[in-house]
Amino acid sequence: EAGVTQFPSHSVIEKGQTVTLRCDPISGHDNLYWYRRVMGKEIKFLLHFVKESKQDESGMPNNRFLAERTGGTYSTLKVQPAELEDSGVYFCASSPLLGGNEQFFGPGTRLTVL
Amino acid sequence: KQEVTQIPAALSVPEGENLVLNCSFTDSAIYNLQWFRQDPGKGLTSLLLIQSSQREQTSGRLNASLDKSSGRSTLYIAASQPGDSATYLCAAEDGGGFKTIFGAGTRLFVKA
Repeated sequence: EAGVTQFPSHSVIEKGQTVTLRCDPISGHDNLYWYRRVMGKEIKFLLHFVKESKQDESGMPNNRFLAERTGGTYSTLKVQPAELEDSGVYFCASSPLLGGNEQFFGPGTRLTVL
Repeated sequence: KQEVTQIPAALSVPEGENLVLNCSFTDSAIYNLQWFRQDPGKGLTSLLLIQSSQREQTSGRLNASLDKSSGRSTLYIAASQPGDSATYLCAAEDGGGFKTIFGAGTRLFVKA
């Protein structure tokens, strides 16, 4: 069974540019989460989808970040325009709707904003 | 507001030693607590999930316990091996929803 996949694995962009990160959850997992780790800090929750609906987006830093999950399958996280402080590793995780909510993480996307 | 703390921040032990990693959380109204392992440059690997109604979970040489009343969880690793070297993270899921709060992790180094 394929795990959570994320694309790209690395992205280097300049300040002011736009970047879109993609996450493909484990097939059948209705819960999808985005997290971020910036340098030297803990992993921080960004938001949570159940299918295509946003359940909790309280962790989104500001309105430069937009997450979507059209059709309830893969999700994208767009940063527009990117700022230097957005640099970090963005993780995606998924879990089934039932059964204790064990989360399975993707390998992350390392974003560097210059 | 939930806060998760992990002690120690780093630990170095000789191979074969049994060890305990500690995790504490401030709000006992959690849905579950999950332990992860992260290798350098890699994603998180789920080790054990303890639901709020459970006291412990075991997988191989790993045993995780949960004491909600005291706001603590421990991860016990028996007979440590060099391959256990990694960062271990605990994460508490909010009882009111699915927001998960992570600790800063314990970096473990097992010397051969």
